[in-house]
Amino acid sequence: GNSVTQMEGPVTLSEEAFLTINCTYTATGYPSLFWYVQYPGEGLQLLLKATKADDKGSNKGFEATYRKETTSFHLEKGSVQVSDSAVYFCALSDSGQTGANNLFFGTGTRLTVIP
Amino acid sequence: DSGVTQTPKHLITATGQRVTLRCSPRSGDLSVYWYQQSLDQGLQFLIQYYNGEERAKGNILERFSAQQFPDLHSELNLSSLELGDSALYFCASSVSWTMNTEAFFGQGTRLTVV
Repeated sequence: GNSVTQMEGPVTLSEEAFLTINCTYTATGYPSLFWYVQYPGEGLQLLLKATKADDKGSNKGFEATYRKETTSFHLEKGSVQVSDSAVYFCALSDSGQTGANNLFFGTGTRLTVIP
Repeated sequence: DSGVTQTPKHLITATGQRVTLRCSPRSGDLSVYWYQQSLDQGLQFLIQYYNGEERAKGNILERFSAQQFPDLHSELNLSSLELGDSALYFCASSVSWTMNTEAFFGQGTRLTVV
C-alpha cells in the first residue's frame, strides 16, 4: 500500500541554520510527492511538489528532490527564518492508476525557528 | 486565503449528538476531500467526492457520512459522537479527480466532543 514515513519532530533551529526534514515513502504505483506546510491556526498549504523521479520541487527557498532509488523526498532549506516556523507534512498521491485519489500524509514535523 | 470555506470554525457538542460540517470548495473545483486531523492519528483521509459522486473512501466510520450537492458544496455528517471524534476536520478541493493537481485546504472545523 501507500505510506509516508516522516522524520519525527519537533525540530528547533536558530535563524539562518540549515534545515533538513527527512521523508521516505512506499507506493504501489507511480506517485507524485508533495510537501505541505501548516502555519498556526491555518489549513495546509502546498509548499512544493514533484511528479516524477529526479524532479526537484522548489518554493520560497525550500527544495526537495524525488529520489526513486531511495524512495525519498527530503525537504531542505539553506537558511531558515523565524517565519518558517510551522508544521511540515510530506505526502504522496498515487497516479490514479490504482483508483485511489487522495493524499497520504506523514505525521508532520513541527519546526520552530528561534531568533 | 485558499478559497475553500469551512463552517463552523469551532463546534462543541455532547457525546451521542449529531453535527454537520460544511465545505464550499474553490470556484471551479469539482473534487472535495475530507480529512480528520487528530493528535494521535495524524491526518487521515475520510472521503472524496467528485462532481456530486463519491469517488474514494478512506478511514471513514459508519457513523460518518458525506455528500456533495449540485452547487458542489459538501457536508460531512457525524453522528452518535464519541469523545474520540474530537479533532480538526479539514476539507480540501481540487480541480480534477486526482490529487496530483494541487489541493487547496480550508482552515478546518475544530470539533470538541464533551
